[in-house]
Amino acid sequence: AQKITQTQPGMFVQEKEAVTLDCTYDTSDPSYGLFWYKQPSSGEMIFLIYQGSYDQQNATEGRYSLNFQKARKSANLVISASQLGDSAMYFCAMREGNNAGNMLTFGGGTRLMVKP
Amino acid sequence: NAGVTQTPKFQVLKTGQSMTLQCAQDMNHEYMSWYRQDPGMGLRLIHYSVGAGITDQGEVPNGYNVSRSTTEDFPLRLLSAAPSQTSVYFCASTPYAWDSYEQYFGPGTRLTVT
Repeated sequence: AQKITQTQPGMFVQEKEAVTLDCTYDTSDPSYGLFWYKQPSSGEMIFLIYQGSYDQQNATEGRYSLNFQKARKSANLVISASQLGDSAMYFCAMREGNNAGNMLTFGGGTRLMVKP
Repeated sequence: NAGVTQTPKFQVLKTGQSMTLQCAQDMNHEYMSWYRQDPGMGLRLIHYSVGAGITDQGEVPNGYNVSRSTTEDFPLRLLSAAPSQTSVYFCASTPYAWDSYEQYFGPGTRLTVT
């Protein structure tokens, strides 16, 4: 079974609007972390936001917030006030608690395109 | 502080050739790892290391070898390149601590095997 599922291969959003990128995960470990990374066309991996499984509040970092619904095993990324520079691939990833080395499992990604 | 560096940035190999992708970090991180990213897909773990002298396999280890003789360096060796190994390769490092969660990624090496 897929551990990380991103069901939206591509999305469009109008500049200045908010957008939600979906991510569901599968783990039986009670201790885990969820990550979102941005990959622009230049190819580098840019860390955006992190949510721990025991965190009581949803993580926020500037225009990024993570809508964490533990019972539904979802960790959606919300980008507020989209900018043209937000056009990129976005990857959801998970680190499980029994994981020596802090290794990540990635989803297949969502390509976000921001329209002017 | 250069972070995680990878060389080369681009490489073209013929089937059957061998080569080593270099990765170095100057942050004294214990954990290092190699991922590959095929077109239109997420990253998949090849090999990882939790410290000098200790390595282990990830999800897709076949056709690759690694070693970790120092904390700083974690080279990835392709033993006999195949077209299926055409991919972008990322090296990453992270400190040893559960709450030090961020993976620091290198810029990637784009490898084409013909």
